[in-house]
Amino acid sequence: DADVTQTPRNRITKTGKRIMLECSQTKGHDRMYWYRQDPGLGLRLIYYSFDVKDINKGEISDGYSVSRQAQAKFSLSLESAIPNQTALYFCATAPSASTDTQYFGPGTRLTVL
Amino acid sequence: GDSVTQMEGPVTLSEEAFLTINCTYTATGYPSLFWYVQYPGEGLQLLLKATKADDKGSNKGFEATYRKETTSFHLEKGSVQVSDSAVYFCALREGTYKYIFGTGTRLKVLA
Repeated sequence: DADVTQTPRNRITKTGKRIMLECSQTKGHDRMYWYRQDPGLGLRLIYYSFDVKDINKGEISDGYSVSRQAQAKFSLSLESAIPNQTALYFCATAPSASTDTQYFGPGTRLTVL
Repeated sequence: GDSVTQMEGPVTLSEEAFLTINCTYTATGYPSLFWYVQYPGEGLQLLLKATKADDKGSNKGFEATYRKETTSFHLEKGSVQVSDSAVYFCALREGTYKYIFGTGTRLKVLA
């Protein structure tokens, strides 16, 4: 079984709809992240969380919100989706050690019409 | 702020050719450096990393050396295979939590 899972894997929605993307992990990591990937722009950080009570905005948090329901679960919401939020969204986890890397989920492809 | 610049792709090579993908960075401190690989339809996977100057990361025949004097972390492989076709991302870790990624370089290896 995958260590970091994301649901749904693909979603098509309409402008103005509320969308939730979910991420679960079995790695036991404290840190969780949400990124979006756009062609030619690499990955950009939306939100990150160090534990259930510690949630922080990343560089492009406008239009997004998150919820850390448990150590293993971190959800990303688009309150009112717009077309320029069409992108590939990745969840990632990391342990707290300062030199360790991140572990990525398989991604959710979101299309907003 | 800190940033990562990597060569634009796509890079197209024949099987068994030598690969170099350039990556340079700007950072105020001493970041850890990473190369990730993304295969079609999948998330990013760590390929290799280096945590201090002159460290060499290596994995699956790929290598990269942390060069502080040139602020570079170029990815190399002596003989690429068709299965190496993917998108490669250079990244740095700034401080204790923030990861900054390059824009990615697509590699296509032809049989």
